[in-house]
Amino acid sequence: EVQLVESGGGLVQPGGSLRLSCAASAFTFSGYCMAWVRQAPGKGLEWVANIKKDGSDEYYVESVKGRFTISRDNAKNSLYLQMSSLRAEDTAVYYCARVLLSHISSPFDYWGQGTLVTVSS
Amino acid sequence: EIVLTQSPATLSLSPGERATLSCRASQGVTTYLAWYQQKPGQAPRLLIYDASNRATGIPARFSGSGSGTDFTLTISSLEPEDFAVYYCQQRNNWPLTFGGGTKVEIK
Repeated sequence: EVQLVESGGGLVQPGGSLRLSCAASAFTFSGYCMAWVRQAPGKGLEWVANIKKDGSDEYYVESVKGRFTISRDNAKNSLYLQMSSLRAEDTAVYYCARVLLSHISSPFDYWGQGTLVTVSS
Repeated sequence: EIVLTQSPATLSLSPGERATLSCRASQGVTTYLAWYQQKPGQAPRLLIYDASNRATGIPARFSGSGSGTDFTLTISSLEPEDFAVYYCQQRNNWPLTFGGGTKVEIK
């Protein structure tokens, strides 16, 4: 069974940094593009970033460009999201997700359980 | 940015009834539209991709249709486990965007 397990969430002050991790198992991690999607409390879904299978290309929503960096380590079957200059509006549950098809913009067929990031003083 | 507008915001139906959910895009997305289901406290689950393709393990009572700017998710006969929030998502243009969701609740 495909598993994605996020970690690294928590409470951080505005302007602070946090690194999220996602451990993948039961599939060939290096064969899939991956993504981060977030959901503010009580709100809808917002796509954050995608990364290609080999990490050679990345895409971001405008609101996080220059502040967030998506990366991966295929040897460790892990996906990361480095977040800096955090704002209150970044408060959300962050989901790691697998991209279904070979194209980087394809939908997300497996999701982790999410990790909560709270930005507050 | 492509804006996806879902309607209605809330759909109140009884088990066994047919549910019809709408998603309208601010510009054409060809057939690059997906539907997800999310239950409280759970991650979303992919139901339909590329407008009409059911994802692995999704029951046949879920079907998707549409192209261009207008899309529909139909649940032919609601089961108790189908009461949830449904989101559409387009992948035709960056940034990828989601609709605001339709909540299907028990009448």
